Amino acid sequence: EVQLVEFGGGLVKPGGSLRLSCAASGFTFSSYSMNWVRQAPGKGLEWVSSISSSGSYIYYADSVKGRFTISRDNPKNSLYLQMNSLRAEDTAVYYCARGLAWELLHLDYWGQGTLVTDSS
Amino acid sequence: QSVLTQPPSVSAAPGQKVTISCSGSSSNIGNKYVSWYQQLPGTAPKLLIYENNKRPSGIPDRFSGSKSGTSATLGITGLQTGDEADYYCGTWDSSLSVGVFGGGTKLTVL
Repeated sequence: EVQLVEFGGGLVKPGGSLRLSCAASGFTFSSYSMNWVRQAPGKGLEWVSSISSSGSYIYYADSVKGRFTISRDNPKNSLYLQMNSLRAEDTAVYYCARGLAWELLHLDYWGQGTLVTDSS
Repeated sequence: QSVLTQPPSVSAAPGQKVTISCSGSSSNIGNKYVSWYQQLPGTAPKLLIYENNKRPSGIPDRFSGSKSGTSATLGITGLQTGDEADYYCGTWDSSLSVGVFGGGTKLTVL
């Protein structure tokens, strides 16, 4: 059974940093691209970042470019999102999601999400 | 303001059919596959349709997808109260090199 479990969310002050992790199981992690998608309270889905199966190719939304860094550790079946210079508008539930193909937003499995909240 | 445009809400009676539209441009829907997601209250999104009209295993054939030019449509037949949810379209924008979602459509089954 495919499982994605995010953790690392919490309260953070504006300008602060946080590292989200996503533990994957039930599939060959190194064969799939991975994504972060967020959802602000009461709002719609916003794509944040994608990383290719090898980690060689990465894309970011303009809203996080230069502040967030996506990475992966294939031997550890883990996906990460390093979030720096956090802003109030980064408050959201962050989901990791498996991609069916590169440069296509076909996300077939999602985690339960982890909440990042601005402490101000 | 989302790159993809969806109606904020749609409604229909149980047993009826409803369609949800998703409008984009030549750099996204016009040359990339579209996916659709269902998000029940308090849960993570779930993939309903990929590659414009394909259903993942376990998704009933009451759900269908189509695409024409720069627009896509999700259809749901035989509406059930359990279908009440937010529905999102998504695709890749090849000019911007970013993933894009529609703003979401809230389905009410009256």
